[in-house]
Amino acid sequence: AQRVTQPEKLLSVFKGAPVELKCNYSYSGSPELFWYVQYSRQRLQLLLRHISRESIKGFTADLNKGETSFHLKKPFAQEEDSAMYYCAPDTGRRALTFGSGTRLQVQP
Amino acid sequence: DTAVSQTPKYLVTQMGNDKSIKCEQNLGHDTMYWYKQDSKKFLKIMFSYNNKELIINETVPNRFSPKSPDKAHLNLHINSLELGDSAVYFCASSPPGGSYEQYFGPGTRLTVT
Repeated sequence: AQRVTQPEKLLSVFKGAPVELKCNYSYSGSPELFWYVQYSRQRLQLLLRHISRESIKGFTADLNKGETSFHLKKPFAQEEDSAMYYCAPDTGRRALTFGSGTRLQVQP
Repeated sequence: DTAVSQTPKYLVTQMGNDKSIKCEQNLGHDTMYWYKQDSKKFLKIMFSYNNKELIINETVPNRFSPKSPDKAHLNLHINSLELGDSAVYFCASSPPGGSYEQYFGPGTRLTVT
């Protein structure tokens, strides 16, 4: 079955530590992949997409087709990065299939 | 303000009632969606409309009926509400031209008692 997996429900790190939020997908073809973020009391918003290959707020994500992964990374976490992060492939239906989400807690 | 808006923001109602949630976007997008986020923060697609035409209808009970009067609006009507319908419902939209980036509304927290 086609699915996306975020194995960690909660990731807690200290400020300044590196962060990696894992995402693995099992879709045939080449889905377009996104990371969305939901800060406390805010709406879900796009963080970055693999096609643009950009860095947003210090975050990057590399698509590894061999491992079917799209992990989100940041070298030095900040307290304001604390939020729910969702990996979301679009499998061509023009709708996103979200992972279960990872809550990132950055402690001072 | 250009955005995706939803009303109401909070909705508390009793089992068996019928309720509607409204969504509007003024971004000029042609596709709109409804997602359900449960208490464990799982976010699942329910429906999607493109130019007022239903294109995605996941396995959602028939008690849920979306209605799109025009491209800018997608409402969700729920009949005979059940306890398990308690969740946060998010509306979203995406632009034409093949971009699948989605813009989300603030969510409607539905509590069924």
